[in-house]
Amino acid sequence: LAKTTQPISMDSYEGQEVNITCSHNNIATNDYITWYQQFPSQGPRFIIQGYKTKVTNEVASLFIPADRKSSTLSLPRVSLSDTAVYYCLVLKYSGAGSYQLTFGKGTKLSVIP
Amino acid sequence: DAGVIQSPRHEVTEMGQEVTLRCKPISGHDYLFWYRQTMMRGLELLIYFNNNVPIDDSGMPEDRFSAKMPNASFSTLKIQPSEPRDSAVYFCASSLDPGQNYEQYFGPGTRLTVT
Repeated sequence: LAKTTQPISMDSYEGQEVNITCSHNNIATNDYITWYQQFPSQGPRFIIQGYKTKVTNEVASLFIPADRKSSTLSLPRVSLSDTAVYYCLVLKYSGAGSYQLTFGKGTKLSVIP
Repeated sequence: DAGVIQSPRHEVTEMGQEVTLRCKPISGHDYLFWYRQTMMRGLELLIYFNNNVPIDDSGMPEDRFSAKMPNASFSTLKIQPSEPRDSAVYFCASSLDPGQNYEQYFGPGTRLTVT
């Protein structure tokens, strides 16, 4: 299963765009890239998932280059409420109900006023 | 839907005691996951079920840990006997069939302290 590497922490000012990059060099053909957000004292919350190119939803964009060895979560115009830990993970669905996934250490994003 | 429900929210127990954590997944979800989170080890997948059947328990740390899912709306994670190193936040999550949508919905967690 592909291991993920992401920065331990990042700081950003309010209103800026934040890009968090995750490295997953050993990603396999059937693997998906997923990002979760976690606030203190809460469970993680799904943000976005993608396979290749670009995916966008109401809260974030996910950019995946052609070789899929990395991915970048982009948060537009962050606010103080975006201060959280962001996890990148690779999901392998092998069929017949079989999952493999591993949460990395996460990136602690601190948004500064 | 009320989301994934976990109980208790906090548990303090003495070493050697049995601890049972409970989870009610979102109705209609086929998958249920148990995770453990600590500062040192991060978020670890312990075990997951598909349609009430355990699929992968390779993350269960040792025989002191066991999990059951007697029906589609209830699961337990039991630690017997408990040890101080089991202190952590334990999360339960559920999801639909990954062939349709992979998003996992996490519960609020149970903070376990073993003294």
